[in-house]
Amino acid sequence: GQNIDQPTEMTATEGAIVQINCTYQTSGFNGLFWYQQHAGEAPTFLSYNVLDGLEEKGSFSSFLSRSKGYSYLLLKELQMKDSASYLCAVMDSNYQLIWGAGTKLIIKP
Amino acid sequence: DVKVTQSSRYLVKRTGEKVFLECVQDMDHENMFWYRQDPGLGLRLIYFSYDVKMKEKGDIPEGYSVSREKKERFSLILESASTNQTSMYLCASTLGQGATDTQYFGPGTRLTVL
Repeated sequence: GQNIDQPTEMTATEGAIVQINCTYQTSGFNGLFWYQQHAGEAPTFLSYNVLDGLEEKGSFSSFLSRSKGYSYLLLKELQMKDSASYLCAVMDSNYQLIWGAGTKLIIKP
Repeated sequence: DVKVTQSSRYLVKRTGEKVFLECVQDMDHENMFWYRQDPGLGLRLIYFSYDVKMKEKGDIPEGYSVSREKKERFSLILESASTNQTSMYLCASTLGQGATDTQYFGPGTRLTVL
């Protein structure tokens, strides 16, 4: 079956760095997405990786290793507004998105 | 900016009622999707549509139907609501079917079935 695993919850301190991991097993691979979802709101797109390596986008980076079925989202200089759930999703060979359950990130002052 | 709107943010219905959830996007997107989101589970695809009057079943279509009579509008119908359909319902749209097509989501409808 197809499976996306990510931690349920993480806690970090304001100003720190946090790494949210995602591992996947899917039938085929056409890219991996990270979305941010604040409580009670719609998910919004953060990043897309299809090639191995690190993609940097200012205050966050996303990494992919296709051979290991692994990705991480690295959030730097955390602010309170970064408190949200972070959803990992993989596009399979049929171009369907398989979603992880999301990681709830709690930021403490 | 793409805007996806949903008809209600919160909805309370009784078991057995017919429920309509509406979704409208204003960017001429080809594809539209209905998901439900439950605690501890990833987004689960109910139905999607690649064109007007076209529909495809997702992973959990049982108990649901959809309608896409116009390109901008995609409706989700619960024929006879049941308590296990209490959930957050999210609508999304994409421009095309490519791997890089980002999903744009509506704000969600939190449905409670009593």
